[in-house]
Amino acid sequence: SQQGEEDPQALSIQEGENATMNCSYKTSINNLQWYRQNSGRGLVHLILIRSNEREKHSGRLRVTLDTSKKSSSLLITASRAADTASYFCATDALGGKLIFGQGTELSVKP
Amino acid sequence: ETGVTQTPRHLVMGMTNKKSLKCEQHLGHNAMYWYKQSAKKPLELMFVYSLEERVENNSVPSRFSPECPNSSHLFLHLHTLQPEDSALYLCASSPEDTNNEQFFGPGTRLTVL
Repeated sequence: SQQGEEDPQALSIQEGENATMNCSYKTSINNLQWYRQNSGRGLVHLILIRSNEREKHSGRLRVTLDTSKKSSSLLITASRAADTASYFCATDALGGKLIFGQGTELSVKP
Repeated sequence: ETGVTQTPRHLVMGMTNKKSLKCEQHLGHNAMYWYKQSAKKPLELMFVYSLEERVENNSVPSRFSPECPNSSHLFLHLHTLQPEDSALYLCASSPEDTNNEQFFGPGTRLTVL
C-alpha cells in the first residue's frame, strides 16, 4: 500500500473559506513535503516539515505534523479561486526517495 | 518557471514507434528523476539519477530506457509502448538524491495509440 494517503480525495469550498487537507503515512520519516499541481502541469513544492517540527507556516499555508499519529495536515486560509489545484503530500521513507499520495483535488468557487 | 524544462509537451505515438522525451534543468542540481502519473493513481517513481549514475530503477519495463549524459540533461527513450503507457511523464531535479525538495518540469503528455 502507498506511503502517503490524502483525505479527502476531493474538496469544494467557496472563496474566502479555509481548506484543510490531511495526509497519513505508515513508516518513520525524516520529513514530509506538500506539493501543488495545476491540471496537467508539473508539481510545485509548497512546504517541507521535518520530523522534529510540529507546525510550519508559509504565507496562507499552515502545515502540522504529528509523528505519533503519522499524520500531517495542510491548511490554506482565506482561499482564492487561484488555489484550485491538486495537493499532494510526499514522504521520504524509501531511502530518501519521495513517495507521493494520490492527492486531494481542491476546487475553490468564486 | 521552476528551472526544469521538458520537451515535447505533448506526444502521440503508435505502438511501433521510437521516440524520446527530454528534460533539462538549469539549477545546478545533482539528482534527476522520471515519474509517471496516470489518472487516479499516485505518482510512480521510475528512475533516479545521481551525478549521472542511475541509483534507482523501480522495476520499469525495458521498453522505457533512460539516459543521463550529464547532470543537466535526462532523456527517456521509448520503444514498442503499450496503450496503458499513456500518461503524464514528469521530470524532476533536486540538489541531492535524498531528503530534498524536488523541482518539477511541466511534463510530457504521452498518448500511445
